[in-house]
Amino acid sequence: QSALTQPASVSGSPGQSITISCTGTSSDVGGYKYVSWYQQYPGKAPKLMIYDVSNRPSGVSNRFSGSKSGNTASLTISGLQAEDEADYYCSSYTSSSTLVFGGGTKLTVL
Amino acid sequence: QVQLQESGPGLVKPSETLSLTCTVSGYSISNAYYWGWIRQPPGKGLEWIGNIYHSGSTYYNPSLKSRVTISVDTSKNQFSLKLSSVTAADTAVYYCAREESSSRWYLYWGQGTLVTVSS
Repeated sequence: QSALTQPASVSGSPGQSITISCTGTSSDVGGYKYVSWYQQYPGKAPKLMIYDVSNRPSGVSNRFSGSKSGNTASLTISGLQAEDEADYYCSSYTSSSTLVFGGGTKLTVL
Repeated sequence: QVQLQESGPGLVKPSETLSLTCTVSGYSISNAYYWGWIRQPPGKGLEWIGNIYHSGSTYYNPSLKSRVTISVDTSKNQFSLKLSSVTAADTAVYYCAREESSSRWYLYWGQGTLVTVSS
């Protein structure tokens, strides 16, 4: 299984909105409503931000939202804050009943 | 509160078998859920290794399947990872986590443990 494709980096200024894309195939992202997003700070375990494309776990800010169109899923962060600077990873269930992650995106808050 | 803790050798020699254990507290593995292993090479992205259900049913990453074994010990509330014939490319931080749904998302994670493959 090939890793999902994410941009290596994105940036934005405080208060702005940014979107991170996650592109797969019809065997993963496009075939299921099972995309998740994780936030990771250096040296820390990933934190779940979005599951099943657009659902937020309890305690995650509503500034984080997810969507999907075809083989591409997206994570949007609105009202960007300095604390949002981190690495973000998408993941998707696959037709083999496995899981595949994206390569990760480094978000820089300018 | 569910907590997971990885343990095992931090240094493994090439060609040998990497063995890690994840001890779960705050929840009985025998009740339900899949339990997974994910790794992250230094400076690189996350890679899903595989998972196991409390009954012993497993799924593995196809690229690692020939070398991976995940097992569960409900009496100790632990599950384990064995990765055989390791090379330097297997050097990574290894995380264990609880899979909350069949759609494979992880809410509870261990802190991770660095395993270095070197002679």
